[in-house]
Amino acid sequence: ETGVTQTPRHLVMGMTNKKSLKCEQHLGHNAMYWYKQSAKKPLELMFVYSLEERVENNSVPSRFSPECPNSSHLFLHLHTLQPEDSALYLCASSQDLQGFGYTFGSGTRLTVV
Amino acid sequence: RKEVEQDPGPFNVPEGATVAFNCTYSNSASQSFFWYRQDCRKEPKLLMSVYSSGNEDGRFTAQLNRASQYISLLIRDSKLSDSATYLCVVTYGGATNKLIFGTGTLLAVQP
Repeated sequence: ETGVTQTPRHLVMGMTNKKSLKCEQHLGHNAMYWYKQSAKKPLELMFVYSLEERVENNSVPSRFSPECPNSSHLFLHLHTLQPEDSALYLCASSQDLQGFGYTFGSGTRLTVV
Repeated sequence: RKEVEQDPGPFNVPEGATVAFNCTYSNSASQSFFWYRQDCRKEPKLLMSVYSSGNEDGRFTAQLNRASQYISLLIRDSKLSDSATYLCVVTYGGATNKLIFGTGTLLAVQP
């Protein structure tokens, strides 16, 4: 495996479910990111991690909970989501916080029903 | 005002045409500039960086005008495979040099 891998590729969940999105990077990068891409909106940065520490949280509702157990793995735990949370969730990594070597994963397309 | 503004399109052009996309950004402190390409239902991928002196990569030419806070992308001799959404991206520097994305411009190259 190379690059940034996200699983699952597609997810349908009910509003009362709990699920987790997984991201893994094989690039030796130190920074990882979660983005949300909704239809007709720009990519929105949700969370930034550097060396497993959260360095940015852009006013994201608490129903989204990130976890970074090590510099290669990033999770997004989902709980009691709303239909408007349906979107493409993209993980990215970069060499450092200055953004060198920025690489996106293929994304998880989430539908909340 | 949006941080990065682009015409959403779509731009429908015939094969072989030349097409230009424009982008404006609101923060004069922006430091780095990029064009990303995003195919339908795929992740964004870096197309090219944009430098103050302008730069070219094959059929693609990018220009930056810092005074006007304006970035452009020119595609010559369009191919069917150029059909995608083109995202204008800027960074502001600071502790986290995060990428700020425009909504993208959709290009459809017709045979």
